[in-house]
This record gives sequence, structure tokens and C-alpha cells, in this order.
Amino acid sequence: AAGVIQSPRHLIKEKRETATLKCYPIPRHDTVYWYQQGPGQDPQFLISFYEKMQSDKGSIPDRFSAQQFSDYHSELNMSSLELGDSALYFCASSLGLGDKTGKMNTEAFFGQGTRLTVV
Amino acid sequence: AQKVTQAQTEISVVEKEDVTLDCVYETRDTTYYLFWYKQPPSGELVFLIRRNSFDEQNEISGRYSWNFQKSTSSFNFTITASQVVDSAVYFCALREETSGSRLTFGEGTQLTVNP
Repeated sequence: AAGVIQSPRHLIKEKRETATLKCYPIPRHDTVYWYQQGPGQDPQFLISFYEKMQSDKGSIPDRFSAQQFSDYHSELNMSSLELGDSALYFCASSLGLGDKTGKMNTEAFFGQGTRLTVV
Repeated sequence: AQKVTQAQTEISVVEKEDVTLDCVYETRDTTYYLFWYKQPPSGELVFLIRRNSFDEQNEISGRYSWNFQKSTSSFNFTITASQVVDSAVYFCALREETSGSRLTFGEGTQLTVNP
């Protein structure tokens, strides 16, 4: 079965550079989430989109932005990169959970992650 | 505010032993969802199970079983007859109905199964 696809899998950037991470959700999934997992830490929620609209926002720095496109893929744009941005970035997708009143109790499936290293 | 606690940072067992990973959660919602994810050394997050707050039935899937007890706010995960391939970090996670669709993860338990 098709899974969540993230690209690139690995990325090395220098401080103050920009990076763009891409996520292709499972077909028919309308909700996309972004999580950041620092070394030895648990994943932290950044932001989510439902039907191309931002649906929830977590601890995402102002230097980061994201959007979901008409084909439901999503991109996380990161600017003025800092050493502390080095982490594993996960995208996840689900069906029908995007709005805050969503009653569908489906699970989110995660991609393999993009490992970002800022040097 | 929602919170998930996995008190066991690391567990080491010998193959074929049974092992239980503890998860305790805090929430004010009456409707919520609990999850377990596995993160092997390769790094991906693999969904294992979802439990709804209104369904306290325990579940067994092969060597995996889950014990959900609302009275103690716990959702423990047991691996029976552990195998080396079970070595991974296991995360328990919570989603509250009133907090949108975000997952709040516990800090994870590193399970090492030795041959």
C-alpha cells in the first residue's frame, strides 16, 4: 500500500540557509501534519493542514512556514536555519481529522522522515 | 493540558522474555485517543495501535497486547516472547478531541532485545 513519501531523506545545510521539505500524503488523505524530532527526543507537533487550509499550529518557529497544495502535497519551508534546527522532520497524513471538530477517529500515518543537519 | 508519561527510558531484555512498556496519560477530555508507535533504528515511525477512550477492551495482535485502564489512566503495551527485531524506541501518544488532531507523544522507551 502507498505510504507517506517525504523528500529529501537527508539534507545538509549551512547556518542561515533555507531548506524546503516536501511531503506527499497517502492517496485520498486530506490532512497533513508536520512534526520535529530532535536527537533523543519525542516528536513535537509543528503544524497541520486540512483541505489546503491551516488547521492547527504548534511550536513552529516564525522562521518556518508551510502550505498544502491543491494535490494535497505539503511543503515545509525553513529559513535562516540555526544549528538547533537539526532534527528529523516527519510528515504524517490522515483522513478526515483536519478540523478541530473532526469526529473521525482515524490514525495518522507517518513518512520516513527527513533528517536535516545544519552545520 | 494533555500529557503523556513513559517512565521507563530504557529497557533491556533477553530474547523470548516478555516485556511491558508503561504509558500514563493526563487529559481533561472525556473523548480522547491513545496510540502506540514504534521507531526502529532506521528512524521511521510505525503505527501500532489506536484506542478510543470509550473502548476499554484490551487488544491482542500476535505477540503484542495492550492493556487500557481508564481508572489508572494507563495504556500499557506488552510484547510476548520478545525478538531482536523488536528492538526500537516505542512511543505512546495521546490525541484529545478538543485539541484538534495533533498528537502529544511521551518521551519514548528504548527497548533493546539481546540475543
